[in-house]
Amino acid sequence: EPEVTQTPSHQVTQMGQEVILRCVPISNHLYFYWYRQILGQKVEFLVSFYNNEISEKSEIFDDQFSVERPDGSNFTLKIRSTKLEDSAMYFCASVEGETQYFGPGTRLLVL
Amino acid sequence: GENVEQHPSTLSVQEGDSAVIKCTYSDSASNYFPWYKQELGKRPQLIIDIRSNVGEKKDQRIAVTLNKTAKHFSLHITETQPEDSAVYFCAASYPSGSARQLTFGSGTQLTVLP
Repeated sequence: EPEVTQTPSHQVTQMGQEVILRCVPISNHLYFYWYRQILGQKVEFLVSFYNNEISEKSEIFDDQFSVERPDGSNFTLKIRSTKLEDSAMYFCASVEGETQYFGPGTRLLVL
Repeated sequence: GENVEQHPSTLSVQEGDSAVIKCTYSDSASNYFPWYKQELGKRPQLIIDIRSNVGEKKDQRIAVTLNKTAKHFSLHITETQPEDSAVYFCAASYPSGSARQLTFGSGTQLTVLP
């Protein structure tokens, strides 16, 4: 069964550094999402992406964040200048119908 | 925007007993309600979902009920097993343009005691 994949599984970075989180959605899916989950808390919506543009974004998704689909398979989330509070698990999801399939996540730790 | 409240935050049951987790939502436009199971360090996995045109849905030991008037929905797990131990998240969603974002509840840590 096809699955969403994400790389890296873990990322440690210094505050102020840029990070790029990568996702490979399920191949025939058209809608993609990023969510984050701070340790011990709920999953929070960041952004949705369709047809090579952002469909919706939450108030968390400020100017430090960007998404793109640089080729036909990868879907990336970039954080330009990381802050301590960006430490979280970041999940990518792709959609078939109404069902969202989550990737395994990238655990980001900002020191 | 949508707000989803989930109770209880922790739930311990004896193996074989039933477990019930309840959620309420605020936006009457929400029409899709999935439940996700998340084991420690793993991805959220969809276990069951319900749409607003249905009041109840069952899949083996798992059932979900929806009360649109009261804006609440519940997950019922019968004959619980130790492998049911995980965090369970409810979510609500409404169509918005071309996307459908999920608003999650705060999660319930279910522990099934052998």
